[in-house]
Amino acid sequence: DAKTTQPNSMESNEEEPVHLPCNHSTISGTDYIHWYRQLPSQGPEYVIHGLTSNVNNRMASLAIAEDRKSSTLILHRATLRDAAVYYCILRRNAGNMLTFGGGTRLMVKP
Amino acid sequence: EPEVTQTPSHQVTQMGQEVILRCVPISNHLYFYWYRQILGQKVEFLVSFYNNEISEKSEIFDDQFSVERPDGSNFTLKIRSTKLEDSAMYFCASSGTGGTGNTIYFGEGSWLTVV
Repeated sequence: DAKTTQPNSMESNEEEPVHLPCNHSTISGTDYIHWYRQLPSQGPEYVIHGLTSNVNNRMASLAIAEDRKSSTLILHRATLRDAAVYYCILRRNAGNMLTFGGGTRLMVKP
Repeated sequence: EPEVTQTPSHQVTQMGQEVILRCVPISNHLYFYWYRQILGQKVEFLVSFYNNEISEKSEIFDDQFSVERPDGSNFTLKIRSTKLEDSAMYFCASSGTGGTGNTIYFGEGSWLTVV
């Protein structure tokens, strides 16, 4: 699978927007960009995914660069409950598995 | 909202014993998975299962591991002879259809401690 690069950690203040970056310079045309998060002591949780266009859902927004070599997960108003490890994952193969990297640990300060 | 459920939430077992971890995937899903996460490490793929057979497996999924869908609702992971290094959180997951755009839903995990 193509590799993604994320910062190890980020900090945010509660109720402020958070922009979590992800670089994926070797992305191929059929790779979907998925974001999952893992809250402490819980299983990974789907956040959002996209292919080329920006996407919005009730949890977050995904902004995808025009060349698709990077993307940004946007949490519009961070809450304490958003403190988690956020994983940016490219899904390529037909087997549907996800390959998790180290992710970005988001800390939210009250 | 439908969810993947796993049992037990925590199991302690002696080295060399057999362990079965159980999962109830989301009811209309067709693809099933096991992942594991050793404490402090990344989430690692073990195996995917579709149409009553393994579709992919990782190098971790050796002969000590097996999966089964014994009935229409359960999906199990068996470890035949546990080792200390099998201590980890094991996550079951399911997805509705194939395709790289499809969402995978994870359970809360079964924490296995081998002593």
